[in-house]
Amino acid sequence: NAGVMQNPRHLVRRRGQEARLRCSPMKGHSHVYWYRQLPEEGLKFMVYLQKENIIDESGMPKERFSAEFPKEGPSILRIQQVVRGDSAAYFCASSPGASDTQYFGPGTRLTVL
Amino acid sequence: DAKTTQPNSMESNEEEPVHLPCNHSTISGTDYIHWYRQLPSQGPEYVIHGLTSNVNNRMASLAIAEDRKSSTLILHRATLRDAAVYYCILSVFMNRDDKIIFGKGTRLHILP
Repeated sequence: NAGVMQNPRHLVRRRGQEARLRCSPMKGHSHVYWYRQLPEEGLKFMVYLQKENIIDESGMPKERFSAEFPKEGPSILRIQQVVRGDSAAYFCASSPGASDTQYFGPGTRLTVL
Repeated sequence: DAKTTQPNSMESNEEEPVHLPCNHSTISGTDYIHWYRQLPSQGPEYVIHGLTSNVNNRMASLAIAEDRKSSTLILHRATLRDAAVYYCILSVFMNRDDKIIFGKGTRLHILP
């Protein structure tokens, strides 16, 4: 059973471009979570999704950020018009149910030039 | 939101036991205590979790105080590979939500 997969592992964008981060949950997991980690800081919750539904997006910035988890395919975290402050590691986690242990992917490290 | 308090950093010698403390005085009756760790340049990794009773698994032991206001993660014999940031987290149940709130954790240094 493969673990949580994220791609790309490293992403470089120039200011104003769009960044798309993908997360494939573990087989059998229908709950996906996205976290952001700034350098030398802890993880900050961004959004919690189930298939085709956003359950909690209280940690998402109000503008430029969006997330989806379609019926088929990976979950996508999309950042439009990136700025230097978006540079961070973005981690995805998945779980089989709402109250179960979360399993994390290796992360995507976004660098905005 | 329920919060936890951990020391910023700790040191331990290789092959010695390590006790990582965590205070969670505002814990509610249905909150589970989870421990994750994050090795350098990797995603967090689940270590152990518990509710009221002490728990053991192949990675560690979790000792939970009787009043549940504190807990201790025990690594029985630390190795260099255990050097990581350890996060103590309460799972917050809000209706059908389960949102893990990470603090800054404890950075564990292992001395050879």
